[in-house]
Amino acid sequence: AQSVTQPDIHITVSEGASLELRCNYSYGATPYLFWYVQSPGQGLQLLLKYFSGDTLVQGIKGFEAEFKRSQSSFNLRKPSVHWSDAAEYFCAVAPMDSSYKLIFGSGTRLLVRP
Amino acid sequence: EAGVAQSPRYKIIEKRQSVAFWCNPISGHATLYWYQQILGQGPKLLIQFQNNGVVDDSQLPKDRFSAERLKGVDSTLKIQPAKLEDSAVYLCASSLGTGFGEQFFGPGTRLTVL
Repeated sequence: AQSVTQPDIHITVSEGASLELRCNYSYGATPYLFWYVQSPGQGLQLLLKYFSGDTLVQGIKGFEAEFKRSQSSFNLRKPSVHWSDAAEYFCAVAPMDSSYKLIFGSGTRLLVRP
Repeated sequence: EAGVAQSPRYKIIEKRQSVAFWCNPISGHATLYWYQQILGQGPKLLIQFQNNGVVDDSQLPKDRFSAERLKGVDSTLKIQPAKLEDSAVYLCASSLGTGFGEQFFGPGTRLTVL
């Protein structure tokens, strides 16, 4: 069955520390891959996306993600976390068919310690 | 550029009542999506419109949920009658083209069914 897994429900990091949020997917072929962020009371905002090409993708707000085909993973990273990064982060995939629909993981809530 | 607008932002109803949500997508966006986000889960696509035609409604509980997009612009999502398990945030998103494009999300409507 097609699925997106974010194994960490919560992650707490200190401000200034590095961050890695995990995402694994299960599909027959490599789908399009996305990371979204959702702040309280806000809609989802796209951080970055991977369609093809360079497997290290740069996004907004200093985030990057690396696609690893062998591990079916698309982990999100940031070298130095700011307090304003506290939010919920969602990994999403879109199968490379004609549906164009997004399938989301269950999310990881990031807490930032001062 | 104005974003995706949704109203109301919050709604509390009794079970078996009906409720309607409204979405105004970004001007010129051909594709409109409605997602349901239950607490602790990622958004789940309910229905996708392309202009005013339905592309995918495979996960819409059609016995109680209905949606329309008149004139290919605004959209309404209705629940009648509501159940306790319908308590969720209902997100509307839009994208520019009819193929795959970035989805822009509205702030959502938080529904509580008592």
